[in-house]
Amino acid sequence: QQQVKQSPQSLIVQKGGISIINCAYENTAFDYFPWYQQFPGKGPALLIAIRPDVSEKKEGRFTISFNKSAKQFSLHIMDSQPGDSATYFCAAEGAGSYQLTFGKGTKLSVIP
Amino acid sequence: KAGVTQTPRYLIKTRGQQVTLSCSPISGHRSVSWYQQTPGQGLQFLFEYFSETQRNKGNFPGRFSGRQFSNSRSEMNVSTLELGDSALYLCASRSTVGGYTFGSGTRLTVV
Repeated sequence: QQQVKQSPQSLIVQKGGISIINCAYENTAFDYFPWYQQFPGKGPALLIAIRPDVSEKKEGRFTISFNKSAKQFSLHIMDSQPGDSATYFCAAEGAGSYQLTFGKGTKLSVIP
Repeated sequence: KAGVTQTPRYLIKTRGQQVTLSCSPISGHRSVSWYQQTPGQGLQFLFEYFSETQRNKGNFPGRFSGRQFSNSRSEMNVSTLELGDSALYLCASRSTVGGYTFGSGTRLTVV
C-alpha cells in the first residue's frame, strides 16, 4: 500500500518558471513532511520540511504548501534554474515511527 | 563537519553470497537508518537503530539484518543474495532534533 502518492513522475520547466510537485498522504498519524532533492550518484539531500501546524513554509526559492484537511502538500520552486534539474522526493514520518515513507519521486528538468 | 560515510561505494556479488555494508553517521548523531532504493520500488525503509537498539524495522525478509555499535557506526548484512537485491543502499543519520542526512549510498549489484 503506497501511503504517499507523488505527482507528476516527470516535469519539464523553462528556466525562470515555477515548478510544482504534489503529494498526498493517507496516514493521519504523519506529522513531519520533508522534501528531498537527489542528484545522480548522490544520496537524497533535505531541502525543506514542514509540520502540520503551519500551512506554508518558505526557504529561498523553495516553498511548501500544506493542506491538512485534504491530506496534501506540495513543493513550489520559484525561478527554476537548470541547476535545479534533479529528482525530488516528498516524504512523511509519524511521531515515534523513526521511518520516512517516500513518494515515488519526480524527475525535474529545467531547460534554458 | 563530516557527512554520513558509507563504504564501499560499489559492490558486485554473486547470487547466494552474503554482503556487509558499513555506515558512519555524522559525529554526535545516535540514530542511523537504512533504506533501499530501486527504480521500481523507490525508497523503502529497512530499519532504524538508536544507541545500539533497533527501534523499527521495515517489511523486508529476514535475510536483511543490521546492527549498531557503541560508537553509533552501523552495518547492514544481506545473506543469500538474490538478483532482486541489486539496489542503492542508503544510510541516514539523525540528531535528536534535526532531519535525516543521507550518505551517497552503496551500489550493490548481484549477478
